[in-house]
Amino acid sequence: QVQLVESGGGVVQPGRSLRLSCAASGFTFSSYAMFWVRQAPGKGLEWVAVISHDESDRFYTDSVRGRFTTSRDNSKNTLYLHMDSLRLEDTALYYCARASSSGHHVRDASDIWGQGTMVTVSS
Amino acid sequence: EIVLTQSPGTLSLSPGERATLSCRASQSVSSNYLAWYQQKPGQPPRLVITEASSRATGIPDRFSGSGSGTDFTLTISRLEPEDFAVYYCQHYDNSPFTFGPGSKVDIK
Repeated sequence: QVQLVESGGGVVQPGRSLRLSCAASGFTFSSYAMFWVRQAPGKGLEWVAVISHDESDRFYTDSVRGRFTTSRDNSKNTLYLHMDSLRLEDTALYYCARASSSGHHVRDASDIWGQGTMVTVSS
Repeated sequence: EIVLTQSPGTLSLSPGERATLSCRASQSVSSNYLAWYQQKPGQPPRLVITEASSRATGIPDRFSGSGSGTDFTLTISRLEPEDFAVYYCQHYDNSPFTFGPGSKVDIK
């Protein structure tokens, strides 16, 4: 079945780096834009980043631009989020999500979500 | 950046009642690129509505979306027990594709 599974979360000190992965299965990964969305404990959803199906377009929310980089390996059906210079306020459950329609566009809602991986930034 | 405001913050209703949730954007959302999601505790969000008024796959017809420009509405015609949750709107017009703060529908 269509599935997204995130991994790579953990506890990290401020200023350090972490890489999250999102393994996709059950659909043609290379045809869909992919998103990262995070949710701090007890808080609402925060959109983080999007990457087009072929990596030609990437966009980030202001608070992570320059520190986070999203990439993908379509041969491995895997999405990545490399996070540098982590801050206390980056503590959240990080979800990956799929665009609801295939194609080059990134302007789309997300119809398939993983269960998330928790990132805790703490000294 | 488009800022989304949702109201009410919490809506207390009984099963069978009608729920009306509002999402207002700080500037016009072109092409009605507005989605609604449902989230229950411990679960990821579930897509309910895309393009302001199109139900996502598997969403029952008691859910409907309307609106355009800066004002959007999610209506649940008759609440079922499984509909009590937090609902978020999100625009995907231009980056960043921000979410609203959410509206909680809880049992009265």
